[in-house]
Amino acid sequence: EAGVVQSPRYKIIEKKQPVAFWCNPISGHNTLYWYRQNLGQGPELLIRYENEEAVDDSQLPKDRFSAERLKGVDSTLKIQPAELGDSAVYLCASSFRTLGYEQYFGPGTRLTVT
Amino acid sequence: DQQVKQNSPSLSVQEGRISILNCDYTNSMFDYFLWYKKYPAEGPTFLISISSIKDKNEDGRFTVFLNKSAKHLSLHIVPSQPGDSAVYFCAATRSNNAGNMLTFGGGTRLMVKP
Repeated sequence: EAGVVQSPRYKIIEKKQPVAFWCNPISGHNTLYWYRQNLGQGPELLIRYENEEAVDDSQLPKDRFSAERLKGVDSTLKIQPAELGDSAVYLCASSFRTLGYEQYFGPGTRLTVT
Repeated sequence: DQQVKQNSPSLSVQEGRISILNCDYTNSMFDYFLWYKKYPAEGPTFLISISSIKDKNEDGRFTVFLNKSAKHLSLHIVPSQPGDSAVYFCAATRSNNAGNMLTFGGGTRLMVKP
């Protein structure tokens, strides 16, 4: 079974530029999460989708971040414009409620804003 | 306010000895706990979990202990192997919450020396 796929793996951009990250969850997983992980810290939730509906986006900085999950499968997270403080690893995870509480993570996208 | 804390940022252990990683939580509503392991350039992978109705769960070399009164859990790895060198995150959730929301600690870097 294929795991969670993310692209790109690495991205370097200048501040004020836009950037987008893509995630393909495990097939059949209806819940999708985007996390941000700063250096030396644990993952922090940005947004959670149940199918195509964003049901928890309280931690998403809405002035510059946006996300979508069309058709309830793939998802895209966008930052526009990027700031120096956005440098982090952006992780996507998916889960299926009846299978337990575990979330399955992709490899992440390491973003460096210069 | 950090609801899940891992107070030791790093731990060094000799191969074959026991590794003990600790985690404390403050939210008494948490009743399910998980440990994740993360290698560099990879996403976190699920390792072991425990429900608050138990005080111990064992899976091969890995055992998680839960002390509800102290709001403390620990992960024991016996015997430790060099391949166990990674960052370990504990996470907590409420079993009645929608969407498997996880709160992560900051991680402990384990180094197992040959």
